[in-house]
Amino acid sequence: EAQVTQNPRYLITVTGKKLTVTCSQNMNHEYMSWYRQDPGLGLRQIYYSMNVEVTDKGDVPEGYKVSRKEKRNFPLILESPSPNQTSLYFCASSFSAGWEQYFGPGTRLTVT
Amino acid sequence: GNSVTQMEGPVTLSEEAFLTINCTYTATGYPSLFWYVQYPGEGLQLLLKATKADDKGSNKGFEATYRKETTSFHLEKGSVQVSDSAVYFCALAPSQGAQKLVFGQGTRLTINP
Repeated sequence: EAQVTQNPRYLITVTGKKLTVTCSQNMNHEYMSWYRQDPGLGLRQIYYSMNVEVTDKGDVPEGYKVSRKEKRNFPLILESPSPNQTSLYFCASSFSAGWEQYFGPGTRLTVT
Repeated sequence: GNSVTQMEGPVTLSEEAFLTINCTYTATGYPSLFWYVQYPGEGLQLLLKATKADDKGSNKGFEATYRKETTSFHLEKGSVQVSDSAVYFCALAPSQGAQKLVFGQGTRLTINP
């Protein structure tokens, strides 16, 4: 089954404790992206990757890091989380940047 | 720049009512247009798409027509069901140099039995 998986689905953590949210797709897609969804602000792109070892900032990259060492994986790293990073996070992938994207189920992060 | 404007929600309808969710866009050239749906507790799913002017996308009883002259891509359904309750997002992919999809703010739809 074609899918995008994210782990964990739910995470509660404390300020400053480094965390990683994993994202994996099994569709051999070149393009992958991370979004955060906040009430009243819609979906905002954090980082994206056009291919292996090619990543770039989206609209709200501050406080986040990503890497793309393999085509299927695109982890999101919060090195020192803060309460304003409490949000619902989605990973997405697509064949190419301008094509329809497939979304993961989401990770609800709470930083206290 | 590129942008998408959706009708503000929330929208509440009775079962079997007719649904329209308006979406207009600003973009140069001929972007591709999409409607995504997000059911409670889930990620976004592609509902339908259109890639050129006058194309009609359809799926699950929903339809939307790409109108270049009015820069619109309104979502319609003739008879909604309770199971259609969700958040709906209109989005576009720019025709050149696309690096991301541009999403509207989303419209929350609630259908009452």
